[in-house]
Amino acid sequence: DVKVTQSSRYLVKRTGEKVFLECVQDMDHENMFWYRQDPGLGLRLIYFSYDVKMKEKGDIPEGYSVSREKKERFSLILESASTNQTSMYLCASSSPGPFEAFFGQGTRLTVV
Amino acid sequence: RKEVEQDPGPFNVPEGATVAFNCTYSNSASQSFFWYRQDCRKEPKLLMSVYSSGNEDGRFTAQLNRASQYISLLIRDSKLSDSATYLCVVTPEGGSARQLTFGSGTQLTVLP
Repeated sequence: DVKVTQSSRYLVKRTGEKVFLECVQDMDHENMFWYRQDPGLGLRLIYFSYDVKMKEKGDIPEGYSVSREKKERFSLILESASTNQTSMYLCASSSPGPFEAFFGQGTRLTVV
Repeated sequence: RKEVEQDPGPFNVPEGATVAFNCTYSNSASQSFFWYRQDCRKEPKLLMSVYSSGNEDGRFTAQLNRASQYISLLIRDSKLSDSATYLCVVTPEGGSARQLTFGSGTQLTVLP
C-alpha cells in the first residue's frame, strides 16, 4: 500500500512563527504536492515538486515555501504564520501519469 | 467560472436509494477524470477513474460526457457507509501532474 505520512495531525502556532510541515512517501513517486483545503473552496495547490530540488508554484504560493532535498520528503514552510493560514494542509504524491494522487492524513493547522 | 464545478449538496438520501452527482469542467482539452471520496476529517482517496466508455465498480458507475463536458457518479443501493464528500478531479491532455484540478466536492449523507 502506498503510504504518505504527514508529521502532525494537529498543530497550533502563534502569529509570526515559522512553521514546518513535513511529508514523507514510501512509493518512490516523482511528484509531490502540497494543498490546502478550506470549506467551500476545495483543494487548492500551494506548491508542486516533480523531482528532487525542483518545485513549481501552485495557485496560492504566497506566504509559503517548500523544500525537497530527498525524493521521499517534501516540506512546506510557512515563513511567518498568519491567521489566514489556518487550514487543513494535505500532502500528496503521484507517479507520472495517470496522475492518481495518494494523500497523507492531513495536518489541521490553527494560527492564533 | 471555476474550472471544475460540483453541486455542493448536501444530498440526504435514505438507505437503499440511488443517487447521482454531476461535475462539469470548463477545459475541453481535459483528458483524465477521477472521482475521489473524502470521509469527514480524513484525506481524499481515489474511488474510481472515469473512462470514455463509462465504467462500473460494484454499486458505483462513472460516466463521461465530452460533448457536454461533464462527468457523473451514480451510486445504487446506498449504504450508510457511503456517507462522505465526493470530489471530481480532471487533468488536461498532456498536462503536467500539477494540473490536477479538484472540484470542491459534493456532500452525501445516507440516512437510516
